Amino acid sequence: DSGVTQTPKHLITATGQRVTLRCSPRSGDLSVYWYQQSLDQGLQFLIQYYNGEERAKGNILERFSAQQFPDLHSELNLSSLELGDSALYFCASSPVVMNTEAFFGQGTRLTVV
Amino acid sequence: DQQVKQNSPSLSVQEGRISILNCDYTNSMFDYFLWYKKYPAEGPTFLISISSIKDKNEDGRFTVFLNKSAKHLSLHIVPSQPGDSAVYFCAANRNFGNEKLTFGTGTRLTIIP
Repeated sequence: DSGVTQTPKHLITATGQRVTLRCSPRSGDLSVYWYQQSLDQGLQFLIQYYNGEERAKGNILERFSAQQFPDLHSELNLSSLELGDSALYFCASSPVVMNTEAFFGQGTRLTVV
Repeated sequence: DQQVKQNSPSLSVQEGRISILNCDYTNSMFDYFLWYKKYPAEGPTFLISISSIKDKNEDGRFTVFLNKSAKHLSLHIVPSQPGDSAVYFCAANRNFGNEKLTFGTGTRLTIIP
């Protein structure tokens, strides 16, 4: 158990819909990262928050947005969903800004039908 | 642009023998490298890392070698055990961890009893 909690574990939704994925980092970790893993692909970095502020942005679509709340949990919002958005979405956390030895949650498997 | 490449999607090794997983990178600015291990239905777990000021780092059965001139790193597992069967991701970042992790596509290692 990494200490990072992601909910829900599975999500099935229709095209055009909007979903919210939730992440609770390890206790005390200030930095949260979101990654997307599509079929047979590596983990693609989406976005990083540090203590409530956006720190770095990767290949995140405009239809996607995220935020980190004062209690440090984070949410990833995906809207106008397309079939190609079906993927595993991972959240990771680390104590500081440095993205070394980040601890990953179990992921949310999103299926868009 | 795949800046971190794992060219072997899969590898099978007999129990007790050495497993060697390879990773190549193209971005010469990368200065910190990590290996993560992933079991099905779980998030990636940090395994071992190495900074660019070293060429070898060892942790128990796991050793990572870095060849900066060739932009190549490898993970050696010896002796290999059945529990090592998993997908292994190579990752890299810049500024000694202060930037996002870039992942390879992973190598599925199967240890044959």
